[in-house]
Amino acid sequence: KAGVTQTPRYLIKTRGQQVTLSCSPISGHRSVSWYQQTPGQGLQFLFEYFSETQRNKGNFPGRFSGRQFSNSRSEMNVSTLELGDSALYLCASSLGLAGAHEQYFGPGTRLTVT
Amino acid sequence: GQSLEQPSEVTAVEGAIVQINCTYQTSGFYGLSWYQQHDGGAPTFLSYNALDGLEETGRFSSFLSRSDSYGYLLLQELQMKDSASYFCAASAAGNKLTFGGGTRVLVKP
Repeated sequence: KAGVTQTPRYLIKTRGQQVTLSCSPISGHRSVSWYQQTPGQGLQFLFEYFSETQRNKGNFPGRFSGRQFSNSRSEMNVSTLELGDSALYLCASSLGLAGAHEQYFGPGTRLTVT
Repeated sequence: GQSLEQPSEVTAVEGAIVQINCTYQTSGFYGLSWYQQHDGGAPTFLSYNALDGLEETGRFSSFLSRSDSYGYLLLQELQMKDSASYFCAASAAGNKLTFGGGTRVLVKP
């Protein structure tokens, strides 16, 4: 069974631009969660989608948004990029909602904002 | 809100035993997970405790005490490949999953 895939793996953007990251979950998984990881900050939860609906949201500004498609693939968008948005963005999929099921993480997208 | 505390770094030698503690303040708590992440890699699931007590999986064991809001991950017979970051994560009402800041384990020969 193929694992969680994320594209692109690396991205360099300029302040003020916007970016869209993509995540394809493991086949059969209906939940996709997104996390931001920076040195010293651990894994910060962004949001979780289940069956195309946002089920949980972390404490991030509205510049961070996401969506999930009927095939469970998910995208995350960050508008008006700031230098502080430079991070590794991880998505994770699970059979059911993240809090109750083992999560499988993708390799991440490393975003650098200059 | 939710918060989890774990030590930032632990160093030990090969063959030793390491215990990584995790204390949590989580409303509606119902379980504690542990994940391992090697440098440059993705986090991978290690264990999940919903009930008090010890769960053993090979060289790794995880413990939970709900009354103390405390858990730990025990790494036995440490190997060089165990050098990684270890995260505890609390599951709570609303199916929210909150991660701790991670503990970096450095295994020395």
